[in-house]
Amino acid sequence: NAGVTQTPKFQVLKTGQSMTLQCAQDMNHEYMSWYRQDPGMGLRLIHYSVGAGITDQGEVPNGYNVSRSTTEDFPLRLLSAAPSQTSVYFCASRVLTGEQYFGPGTRLTVT
Amino acid sequence: GENVEQHPSTLSVQEGDSAVIKCTYSDSASNYFPWYKQELGKRPQLIIDIRSNVGEKKDQRIAVTLNKTAKHFSLHITETQPEDSAVYFCAAKTGANNLFFGTGTRLTVIP
Repeated sequence: NAGVTQTPKFQVLKTGQSMTLQCAQDMNHEYMSWYRQDPGMGLRLIHYSVGAGITDQGEVPNGYNVSRSTTEDFPLRLLSAAPSQTSVYFCASRVLTGEQYFGPGTRLTVT
Repeated sequence: GENVEQHPSTLSVQEGDSAVIKCTYSDSASNYFPWYKQELGKRPQLIIDIRSNVGEKKDQRIAVTLNKTAKHFSLHITETQPEDSAVYFCAAKTGANNLFFGTGTRLTVIP
């Protein structure tokens, strides 16, 4: 199993640009989520999904959209990038009552 | 939502000494409390977890204790080694199945 994969590993955007961070898992996990990690602030939940076709907002959803058309994929879209979205983004997945596995992360810089 | 507080933010210990990291949570419905270790530039990885029906759990040099009444839980690392140096995160899973993280503790083990 590849586990949780994310692309790209690094990305630089200009303010106002849009992009999609990709996340996929091959463990047939129902639950998938996106976090952002900023220095001194831990991991904050952006959006999550408990199954295909179901998504919901986390702690810091503004400026981000998600969709879950399949069990495997959970892309995160930045609609109009802002410098405040400079961060490291982690995708994660698990069965509802089990251990959460993280992807390798995407380091995003918005200039 | 859940609010997880973690202390201290930094901790330095001599090799062989013990390290203790403490967390509190706010949602009395939270029922699962994992601890993650994150090395520089890497993804968070689960090191130990505890469920709300258990008061203590050990795995070799690592132990976690949970006090549901006081809503706090702690990570204990004994006989610390230089490879224990990392950032440690506590987390709490709510009844809505979302995992909320503390702000992290940077542990440095001095050889």
